Amino acid sequence: AQSVTQPDIHITVSEGASLELRCNYSYGATPYLFWYVQSPGQGLQLLLKYFSGDTLVQGIKGFEAEFKRSQSSFNLRKPSVHWSDAAEYFCAVAPWGGYQKVTFGIGTKLQVIP
Amino acid sequence: EPEVTQTPSHQVTQMGQEVILRCVPISNHLYFYWYRQILGQKVEFLVSFYNNEISEKSEIFDDQFSVERPDGSNFTLKIRSTKLEDSAMYFCASSSGGASTFYGYTFGSGTRLTVV
Repeated sequence: AQSVTQPDIHITVSEGASLELRCNYSYGATPYLFWYVQSPGQGLQLLLKYFSGDTLVQGIKGFEAEFKRSQSSFNLRKPSVHWSDAAEYFCAVAPWGGYQKVTFGIGTKLQVIP
Repeated sequence: EPEVTQTPSHQVTQMGQEVILRCVPISNHLYFYWYRQILGQKVEFLVSFYNNEISEKSEIFDDQFSVERPDGSNFTLKIRSTKLEDSAMYFCASSSGGASTFYGYTFGSGTRLTVV
């Protein structure tokens, strides 16, 4: 069974600073990987996804993530954080094929300070 | 861009009452899912549905829960007798499946269920 670990529950960064949110997954083969963002009381918005190919994927809102098979990681990055990026970020994994359940990490709550 | 639509956005119900949460998945998708997120916690898988039957369910999805695709467009989650601990945000999702056509899971904006 697949699993996702997000080791940082809360992260605080200053506006304009760079950001990296960590995600490690466990799955026997190459999975599908996702990052979602959720503002309080809102739904899940897909930031980016990795299926295959180029291990550096670009997403919306200036985010990118890098798939590292050797480290079973899929870390999310942004070079310069904006106050509007404050939200909760979920890493997620699903088996190849796109017809089975998605497993989410516990989430990382991002606080942005002026 | 196609969307998954969920109604209602917020529902308040009394403990012991039955509730039905509704979802309209993307029209050409074949796989449908329900997830739950208790306030402040992670998103948890409840059930997946394909070809008019449940393909997988979690241990959360007990006999109090049922799913149905009553027509060609709707996908519903029924909770037979709600408990306080059923209070959560419920997300519907759909996917096309099939590696060659798969482009991701599309989630609805959720139904916040409050059991009082």
